[in-house]
Parts: sequence; C-alpha cells; structure tokens
Amino acid sequence: EPEVTQTPSHQVTQMGQEVILRCVPISNHLYFYWYRQILGQKVEFLVSFYNNEISEKSEIFDDQFSVERPDGSNFTLKIRSTKLEDSAMYFCASSGLATNYEQYFGPGTRLTVT
Amino acid sequence: RKEVEQDPGPFNVPEGATVAFNCTYSNSASQSFFWYRQDCRKEPKLLMSVYSSGNEDGRFTAQLNRASQYISLLIRDSKLSDSATYLCVVQPSGSARQLTFGSGTQLTVLP
Repeated sequence: EPEVTQTPSHQVTQMGQEVILRCVPISNHLYFYWYRQILGQKVEFLVSFYNNEISEKSEIFDDQFSVERPDGSNFTLKIRSTKLEDSAMYFCASSGLATNYEQYFGPGTRLTVT
Repeated sequence: RKEVEQDPGPFNVPEGATVAFNCTYSNSASQSFFWYRQDCRKEPKLLMSVYSSGNEDGRFTAQLNRASQYISLLIRDSKLSDSATYLCVVQPSGSARQLTFGSGTQLTVLP
C-alpha cells in the first residue's frame, strides 16, 4: 500500500538554526500539506501546496517558513531561524483529486529546538 | 466557540463494549468530515470519511447531522487494538482543503 514517508524521524537543532524537513508524498497525489502538533495539543494546519504553489496557509505559517517541491518526488518544509516554540511533531500529508479530499499522513518528524 | 469540539474523555471500556463519540463543528458551510485515529506519538490515520447518509465500515459507524452540525462515531464489539485517540476532522467548503482537527477523544479498551 502506498504511503507518505518523512525524514528525518527526529531532528534536534539549536535556536536560530535553519532546518529542512523532507517528505515523499504518495506518488499519484497532487496536493501536499504540512501540519504540526505541539506535544499534548491538537493537530494544526500549516500550509497546502498544489501545482507548484502554495494554495492556502495558516497564521502559523509566517515568513520563517517556506515550502518547496524541488523535484518530482520530494516536498520540503524549511524553517529559517528556529525558535523554542517551533518544537513539535511535523506531519506531511498528501491527497489526490478525488472529491472526498481524503488526506494521508506520513509518520512525522519530531523537531526539538534547544 | 471552538471550530471542532470533542469530549476529551478518557473513555475506559471493557472489551466487547459499544462506545460512541460525538463531535460538533462551528462552520455550517463545512463540506467534508472525517474520523481519524491517532496512537500515542504517531501520525493521524484515516479511519473513515463521514457522509450525510451515514456510513458503516465493519464495526465502525459514522453519522453526520448537518442541521445540528454534529458528527458521531460508534464502535461496536470494541477490541484492545481500538485503544487510541479518535480525532474528529472537518474540511471547509469550496476549494479550501485544509483540515481542522478536534482535540480528540481518548479511548482505552480494557481486557
């Protein structure tokens, strides 16, 4: 069964450093997403991406964040200058063109900012 | 009012019990509805989409009441492996695809 993959599974970084989280969406999907979940809190939407551009973003997704699809398979989230409050689980998801818009999530990257 | 509201639980039920979870949402224009399950420190996994006519998948039944803005999930003959957090998820109307998650209801099925 096709699945979304993410690397790394755990990333530790110092405050102020840049991090890039990587995702490989399901191969025939066209919509890609990033969500985050701070420990003990609910899953929150960050950004959606379609046809090589951002289609929606939340208030969380400020100028510190950027997304890119550098090639035909990878989808990345970059945090330019990490803050302590960026520590969270970051989930990538993808969906196809089906009208029910079902999204499938990757296993996540746990980001710890020290 | 929270966009998606769920009873946080925890629900502790014996194996074989029937358990029901409820969820309300605030945006009356919401288009699509889902139940996901999330195991501790894992990703949300799609359990089922929720349709206006109601739908069933094995031991799981989901219902949607658009007039009351209410979604439910019923689990029959619960198994130990059903222990997880159940997330009510709503998607707005139109072309927006972002998912809005509830905080989840924690279920523990006891032997």
